[in-house]
Amino acid sequence: EVQLVESGGDLIQPGGSLRLSCSASGFTFSSHSMNWVRQAPGMGPECVAFINSGSTAIHYADSVRGRFTISRDNDRSSLYLQMNSLRVEDTALYYCAKGHSSGSWLIDHWGQGTLVTVSS
Amino acid sequence: EIVLTQSPGTLSLSPGERATLSCRASQGVSTNYLAWFQQKSGQPPRLLIYEISIRATGIPDRFSGSGSGTDFSLTISRLEPEDFAVYYCQYYGESPRTFGQGTKVEV
Repeated sequence: EVQLVESGGDLIQPGGSLRLSCSASGFTFSSHSMNWVRQAPGMGPECVAFINSGSTAIHYADSVRGRFTISRDNDRSSLYLQMNSLRVEDTALYYCAKGHSSGSWLIDHWGQGTLVTVSS
Repeated sequence: EIVLTQSPGTLSLSPGERATLSCRASQGVSTNYLAWFQQKSGQPPRLLIYEISIRATGIPDRFSGSGSGTDFSLTISRLEPEDFAVYYCQYYGESPRTFGQGTKVEV
């Protein structure tokens, strides 16, 4: 069974930094692309960042480019999101999401999410 | 960027009825990379349909997807109590991958 467990969410002041982690199990992590997707309260999901299986292709939403960095450690089956210069509008539930194959942009499993609140 | 517009915003139906949800793209979709997700309150989204009409693993056959070009639909042939939720379409053929604003199916 695919399991994705996020951690690292917190209440943080505007301008601050946070690092999210995702621990994956139940599938061959190194063979799948991975994503961070966020969902603000009452809103639809927004794809924030994508990384392919070998970390050779990385994409960001315009809203976070230059502030967020996605990375992965295939030996540890872990995905990360370094978030800098946080803004109030970054407040959301952040999901770790598994890609359908090594380079696929299709998401086929989601974690339960970790909450990031940016507020003074 | 392809913008997806879902309609209606809310669909009020009863168990056993048929539900048809619409998703319209702002420009023609050149690939089949259109997916549908279901999200229940307090849960993450779940993949239902990908490549317009392929059911994901474990999805019952009362769910079906269709369409081409700019117009796509998700049909639930007979609503079960567990189907009342919010449904999102998503185009994943290019970056940015965009979601529609969602259709809520309520009793």
